[in-house]
Amino acid sequence: SQELEQSPQSLIVQEGKNLTINCTSSKTLYGLYWYKQKYGEGLIFLMMLQKGGEEKSHEKITAKLDEKKQQSSLHITASQPSHAGIYLCGADGDSGAGSYQLTFGKGTKLSVIP
Amino acid sequence: GAGVSQSPRYKVAKRGQDVALRCDPISGHVSLFWYQQALGQGPEFLTYFQNEAQLDKSGLPSDRFFAERPEGSVSTLKIQRTQQEDSAVYLCASGMWTGDTDTQYFGPGTRLTVL
Repeated sequence: SQELEQSPQSLIVQEGKNLTINCTSSKTLYGLYWYKQKYGEGLIFLMMLQKGGEEKSHEKITAKLDEKKQQSSLHITASQPSHAGIYLCGADGDSGAGSYQLTFGKGTKLSVIP
Repeated sequence: GAGVSQSPRYKVAKRGQDVALRCDPISGHVSLFWYQQALGQGPEFLTYFQNEAQLDKSGLPSDRFFAERPEGSVSTLKIQRTQQEDSAVYLCASGMWTGDTDTQYFGPGTRLTVL
C-alpha cells in the first residue's frame, strides 16, 4: 500500500517569511493533491499535480511534483497569519484503478506569528 | 455555489448506540467518498460511491459500519453499536469524475464522540 510521509510535522514561522513543506511517497505518484485544514473544519482543496516536473501556483502558494513523481513540495512565499493551519498531501491510486480513494500524509501544522 | 454539507456537525453517543451521519454532496457530483480522521492523523478512506453504486467499501473497519446512497445524491454513513474506538471526525467528499481525475471537495465533517 502507498504511504506518504510529510515533513516537517510542525512549523512555526514569523509573518513574512518563506517556508516549504515536503511530501514523499513510497510509490510513484499518479495524482498528488494538496489540501489545507483548519481545526474543526473540512479540507480545502489547494492544488493537484499529475505530471513529473509539474508546478502550479495560486496566490502565494506554489506546489511542485518532482520528475520521478515520488516527491512533492509546497512553498509559501511571504507567509501571513491566514496561511496558518494543517497542510495535507494526498495521493490517489494507480491510474485506471477503481475508486481514486486518496491516501493522506499525517499533515504539517503551520503556525504564523504576527 | 453550495459546497458539501454534513450533519450533524457534532454527535455524542453512548457506547452501544447506533448513529447516522448525513452527507449532502455538491449538486451533480458523481463520486462520493467517506473518510475517517482520528486526532492528529490524516483522513483514512472508508468507502466510495459512483452515483448510487457502492464500488469500494474496503476501508470500512467492521461490519458495524454501513453506508448508502440510494438515489445517487445524499449519502448516509451508519455505525451500529458504537464503540469508543469509533470516536473520530467523519469526512465526506464529492467529486466530478472526469475519467482521468476526480478532485475531491470535502465537507466540514461530523465529530463523533463515543462515551
